[in-house]
Amino acid sequence: ETGVTQTPRHLVMGMTNKKSLKCEQHLGHNAMYWYKQSAKKPLELMFVYNFKEQTENNSVPSRFSPECPNSSHLFLHLHTLQPEDSALYLCASSQVGGGASNEKLFFGSGTQLSVL
Amino acid sequence: GESVGLHLPTLSVQEGDNSIINCAYSNSASDYFIWYKQESGKGPQFIIDIRSNMDKRQGQRVTVLLNKTVKHLSLQIAATQPGDSAVYFCAESTGNQFYFGTGTSLTVIP
Repeated sequence: ETGVTQTPRHLVMGMTNKKSLKCEQHLGHNAMYWYKQSAKKPLELMFVYNFKEQTENNSVPSRFSPECPNSSHLFLHLHTLQPEDSALYLCASSQVGGGASNEKLFFGSGTQLSVL
Repeated sequence: GESVGLHLPTLSVQEGDNSIINCAYSNSASDYFIWYKQESGKGPQFIIDIRSNMDKRQGQRVTVLLNKTVKHLSLQIAATQPGDSAVYFCAESTGNQFYFGTGTSLTVIP
């Protein structure tokens, strides 16, 4: 739909599990992002990658580990999560990162994560 | 930190009426603003944007107004339709990072 595809759409995991979220963008963009969306809260920026290099880590706990093998793919590796980590995790891309003027973010549909 | 908020968490309008969704921001250095629409089970979808050197911009059935004096942004939807039911939130940028509002849930009553 939007050119940014996320899998899986839903994920239920225990606190001791290891899982990965995947994002792929087909827009030819050079920047990719992970955002966390919790109920009644604003979107929280987690990580930013520009040209495969991580340029932002917004004080995210180490149980979240991002990986960006190329400009089109982004992963979020999850390990020993807590129930409060349950949320919608959104991937986004933009032409060039940094939130510059006219730099629109294009979002995927997200992965709804439940940690039991 | 940034504070981007919306005046009302929910809004109900009759089909065919106009909708106005408001957003307040705190950073006077913000120079770029976007409105997003998020339907249930989907990611945020770009609606319209505006730069700080403008005070009004129109799209198809949508208008964004920017008042830099009071740091206020609004989204107007003309002839609201059932398909417009969604959560709408604003985003601001200073050129470094986007900051998002919490969203207003718009319900269109047939």
